[in-house]
Amino acid sequence: QVQLVQSGAEVRKPGASVKVSCKASGYAFIGYYVHWVRQVPGQGLEWMGRINPNSGGTDYAQKFEGWVTMTRDTSITTAYMELRRLKSDDTAMYYCAFGRLQRLDVWGKGTTVTVSS
Amino acid sequence: QSVLTQPPSVSGAPGQRVTISCTGSSSNIGAGSDVHWYQQLPGTAPKLLIYGNNNRPSGVPDRFSTYKSGTSASLAITGLQAEDEADYYCQSSDNSLSRWSVFGTGTRVTVL
Repeated sequence: QVQLVQSGAEVRKPGASVKVSCKASGYAFIGYYVHWVRQVPGQGLEWMGRINPNSGGTDYAQKFEGWVTMTRDTSITTAYMELRRLKSDDTAMYYCAFGRLQRLDVWGKGTTVTVSS
Repeated sequence: QSVLTQPPSVSGAPGQRVTISCTGSSSNIGAGSDVHWYQQLPGTAPKLLIYGNNNRPSGVPDRFSTYKSGTSASLAITGLQAEDEADYYCQSSDNSLSRWSVFGTGTRVTVL
């Protein structure tokens, strides 16, 4: 059974960084992309980027270039998303999802990140 | 701001058919990119509903179907049920400005 288990809720001050993890199980981790999507409360879905766990190669949405980093550790089948220089409007639910180049097949339950002074 | 535009809301009575449009451009849907659809029930993570050319993951009823024409795509729900009340998002790739992948603006479906 495919599962993506994300790390717990985080609270950060403006200007800080946050790193969210996504532990995958039940499928061949290096065979599929891991995508990251965020959802600001009351708003829609926003694609942030993806990582190819096999090569470590990443593609970031233009908006997030320069302040997001996606990595992975294949030995523990875990992907990470780090967002730097946080602002209050980065308060959101952050989802990881595994899938193909474009298609997001299975989603994690999400990690709430709150940015507040 | 998303490059895929959906109506903010649609509604219908149980048993009716509703459609949700997803309007793009020549750099995404019009370029032949696949369109995928996701369902987000209240308070939960999104779920893949339909992908590509009308393909449904296991467990998704055939009441859900899609079609694509030109720079737009649509999701149809026939025999609307109370459990279909949710937010629906289209998604495609976009080859302009390194957008890579984009979601639609989202549509809230209300069952009257």
